[in-house]
Parts: sequence; structure tokens; C-alpha cells
Amino acid sequence: KAGVTQTPRYLIKTRGQQVTLSCSPISGHRSVSWYQQTPGQGLQFLFEYFSETQRNKGNFPGRFSGRQFSNSRSEMNVSTLELGDSALYLCASSGGQATDTQYFGPGTRLTVL
Amino acid sequence: GENVEQHPSTLSVQEGDSAVIKCTYSDSASNYFPWYKQELGKGPQLIIDIRSNVGEKKDQRIAVTLNKTAKHFSLHITETQPEDSAVYFCAAMETRYDKVIFGPGTSLSVIP
Repeated sequence: KAGVTQTPRYLIKTRGQQVTLSCSPISGHRSVSWYQQTPGQGLQFLFEYFSETQRNKGNFPGRFSGRQFSNSRSEMNVSTLELGDSALYLCASSGGQATDTQYFGPGTRLTVL
Repeated sequence: GENVEQHPSTLSVQEGDSAVIKCTYSDSASNYFPWYKQELGKGPQLIIDIRSNVGEKKDQRIAVTLNKTAKHFSLHITETQPEDSAVYFCAAMETRYDKVIFGPGTSLSVIP
């Protein structure tokens, strides 16, 4: 079974630009969660989508948004990029039931200059 | 909301020795506690998990214990090997919100 895939793996943007990251979950998984990982803040939950609906949301500004398609693939968008948005963005997929194991992708390394 | 603390932040052990990482959580409603290992350049990988109706779980050289009364859980790695070197994250799941909250991580170095 193929694992979680994320594209692109690396991205360089400048302040003020916007960016879209993509995540393809494990086949059959309906839940996709997004996390931001930085050296200072660790792994922070952004949001979770289940069956095309945002089910949970972390404490991030409205510049961070996402969506999920009918095939469970998910995209995350960050608008008006700031230097502090430089991070590893990870997505994880699961079956979507409480306490289902989350499986992570390799992440997208975003650098904002 | 849930808050997870993890200690130590760095740990260095000799190959063959044991390593112990401890975590505490704040929300007594949490009932699922996974542990992840993250190697350089990779996403976190689940290595073991425990649910609140179980006090201990073991998988070869890895074991996890849970004390719900004290709200803490620990990861034990025995007979450590250089390939165990990585960052380890504990986590707790707020099942009311179906959201996983991670600890800050422990960087484990196993010295050959």
C-alpha cells in the first residue's frame, strides 16, 4: 500500500506571495490533517479534513486555509507569506475514526525569503 | 485544551543501554497516546501506541507505560542501537476533538 505523498517536497517563496501544498492520503483514508513543524514551536496542528469538510482547526491565522477533494486528496494554502511561515509542513492521513493511527507524509519544506 | 510535556529534550546513551522518555498530559479525557520517531528529512513514523484501557504495551525492544491517574506515560527502548538515533515525539489525542497534540520532542543519540 502506498504511503502518504506530499508535493512539492521543497519550495522557496518570497514574502507576500501565496503557496499551495498538496497531500495524497493512503488509499481508503478519509481524514487528512496538516501540521506545521518548526524548531521553536515543534509540531503544531493546523486543521483536519474529513469527507471534504473541515472538522478541526488549530490556532493559526486565516491566511492558512485548506480543502479536501472527493478523492480525499487535500491541499493547503498560505496567503501573504511571512518569514515566520518557513517550516516543514506535514500532512497525515487516517481512517477518520477517533484514535485511528495517523500516518505522516515526508513533508514539504517551505522557505520564505 | 490538551497540553503535552516531554522530558528530556536531549538524551545521549551508549549503544546497548536503555533509554527512557517521559511525557505528561493535562486533559484527563485523552485516551490515546501514540509515539512517533522522526529521522532527519523524513516525516514522523508511528512506532508504538497505547490506549487508556491498557497500562503497558511492548513491541520487541520498545515498550510504553501509561499511568492515567498521574497523567503520564513513558517510552522505554532497551538494547539501543545507533539506528535508534532520531527525534521521538509523544502525543495525546483529544478524542472529543479528534485532534492529536504533540510533545516538544526528545533528540536521542545512541553512541556506538
